[in-house]
Amino acid sequence: EIVLTQSPGTLSLSPGERATLSCRTSQTVTSSYLAWYQQKPGQAPRLLIYGASSRAAGIPDRFSVSGSGTDFTLTISRLEPEDFAVYYCQQYGSSPLYSFGQGTKLEIK
Amino acid sequence: EVQLVQSGVEVIKPGESLKISCKASGYSFITYWIAWVRQMPGKGLEWMGIIYPGDSDTRYSPSFQGQVTISADKSITTAYLQWSSLKALDTAIYYCARLYDSGWYRAFDIWGQGTVVTVSS
Repeated sequence: EIVLTQSPGTLSLSPGERATLSCRTSQTVTSSYLAWYQQKPGQAPRLLIYGASSRAAGIPDRFSVSGSGTDFTLTISRLEPEDFAVYYCQQYGSSPLYSFGQGTKLEIK
Repeated sequence: EVQLVQSGVEVIKPGESLKISCKASGYSFITYWIAWVRQMPGKGLEWMGIIYPGDSDTRYSPSFQGQVTISADKSITTAYLQWSSLKALDTAIYYCARLYDSGWYRAFDIWGQGTVVTVSS
């Protein structure tokens, strides 16, 4: 069974800073089948990036993803106040068919 | 507008059955898979299973196989998640989500607002 491990668990930064969030998978994941989601308190998750690097509709270009194989990174180039949330990576393909990482909470320092 | 609208809050006693719904609109219901995702209080997202309403092909996570049943009614563009006997540990928010599948990319692009299920005596 594939396991997605996100780090750090919590990241404390200030607006304007750069955020780097990691997602490591226990098995190789095809980059096109790796996605990232943002979830704010009391809201449903929202798709941020899919296919490893394609931003969903309305997602600003300060969000980007890099990596391949078992090591992926979500970067937010310059944090805005609305970016503070929980971020999840998600894969398709290995058993279970779909799975999520445990999440990284990005909080205001 | 493409949207998924889920049924409302449920407060259920242990051992009771429940069926929650996810009403799709604004797109061709039968040509997109719909998944169910659990979020226990204060925890992360867990994929439970997925259904293709066009032919009712259904896949389950091993963790949820036999614990829940996923179904869909094409005539009313609605997907369902049901339990035959709920436990306190089933207390969670349950989301439905549409799968965007281009053949090359796959991701859950549209989410319902979530259904809060509380199981308590």
